[in-house]
Amino acid sequence: ETGVTQTPRHLVMGMTNKKSLKCEQHLGHNAMYWYKQSAKKPLELMFVYSLEERVENNSVPSRFSPECPNSSHLFLHLHTLQPEDSALYLCASSQDRAGDYEQYFGPGTRLTVT
Amino acid sequence: TQLLEQSPQFLSIQEGENLTVYCNSSSVFSSLQWYRQEPGEGPVLLVTVVTGGEVKKLKRLTFQFGDARKDSSLHITAAQPGDTGLYLCAGARAGNQFYFGTGTSLTVIP
Repeated sequence: ETGVTQTPRHLVMGMTNKKSLKCEQHLGHNAMYWYKQSAKKPLELMFVYSLEERVENNSVPSRFSPECPNSSHLFLHLHTLQPEDSALYLCASSQDRAGDYEQYFGPGTRLTVT
Repeated sequence: TQLLEQSPQFLSIQEGENLTVYCNSSSVFSSLQWYRQEPGEGPVLLVTVVTGGEVKKLKRLTFQFGDARKDSSLHITAAQPGDTGLYLCAGARAGNQFYFGTGTSLTVIP
């Protein structure tokens, strides 16, 4: 399999649930990202990992917890979410963290919090 | 206030028409990228421009980076239904900062 894959593609969860989103990249990249895409809002960068180290956390609530066990895998652990957290969550990777490198995106996980 | 403002926000045109989408900022960027996102998918990179005044062509799409590297435009000639999607610009700044624009949703009607 090539590119960036994300699972699940769709997720419905209650506010008291705990779930995890998974991202895998098969491109040999060193940087991985989590973005949130809500209707009528620009893409919001949530977390950046470079060589498995978290290098950026853009004031994301603690109910979102990322994990990067190796350079190919990225997780986003979710717990006690709010309805306003419903959105498309996109994972991306790039060769290195520098802003000039192309980012390759996965298809996203459509999350609905009930 | 968003760092990168795109206009128009929504655009619906007939097949065969031409259109231009704008990406504007008061900040200078080291490079600027354009992505297209189709429903149910992640954004896909179309082009990267790095030099002020640079023009790049991708078939019927023409991308221009402003001389001062603060803005960019995307022109589509003879739009086709396959061009339908969300067009996003994204700018890179010093310190590895990367910002996405507000997006332009394009619908091309057959």
